[in-house]
Amino acid sequence: QKEVEQNSGPLSVPEGAIASLNCTYSDRVSQSFFWYRQYSGKSPELIMSIYSNGDKEDGRFTAQLNKASQYVSLLIRDSQPSDSATYLCAVGRWGGTSYGKLTFGQGTILTVHP
Amino acid sequence: SAVISQKPSRDICQRGTSLTIQCQVDSQVTMMFWYRQQPGQSLTLIATANQGSEATYESGFVIDKFPISRPNLTFSTLTVSNMSPEDSSIYLCSVEDGYEQYFGPGTRLTVT
Repeated sequence: QKEVEQNSGPLSVPEGAIASLNCTYSDRVSQSFFWYRQYSGKSPELIMSIYSNGDKEDGRFTAQLNKASQYVSLLIRDSQPSDSATYLCAVGRWGGTSYGKLTFGQGTILTVHP
Repeated sequence: SAVISQKPSRDICQRGTSLTIQCQVDSQVTMMFWYRQQPGQSLTLIATANQGSEATYESGFVIDKFPISRPNLTFSTLTVSNMSPEDSSIYLCSVEDGYEQYFGPGTRLTVT
């Protein structure tokens, strides 16, 4: 079982729709959860972080965390063609001095078509 | 968030040689990390670089192959030693700001 699992996609949604990206993780003691967006040929860009159960909203993005189910999701409302990218789920684990050791999922390719 | 730069941005190297990648941050940070992203794959943590202490390596990565230096709070280097074509990857440094982590632009390495 992979430590962090995502559907690789591709996920295709029409412009203006809601894109829903999902991620499950295996380590129950994980404390920090992140969503990164990676455009082709570019480095990952942090778009959301979440640390406690529930929802966290930032503009068109909403991250949802359920530690009991070991599940984290990202919703993108009013999807735009510029949202087309690979979305990486990352889970932080303790590294001795911080939760900075990130384990990444394989990424979900999102395509938003006009 | 911190501004991170890496040098070189890309390189093509012969097998058996070594390449040192530099990572510079515009502010002092305690934690720096090095990741590898192989073609078509996600990111894998190589090691954690703390200033003033030895780097800690993840399973599957060893110091002889990937020596790391962290001479101060704004700079780190990763060397890829005795390279083989399997080392062709993007190498990324990242820094921790609070609980969040930000990535540099990456170094694209091709080994022939």
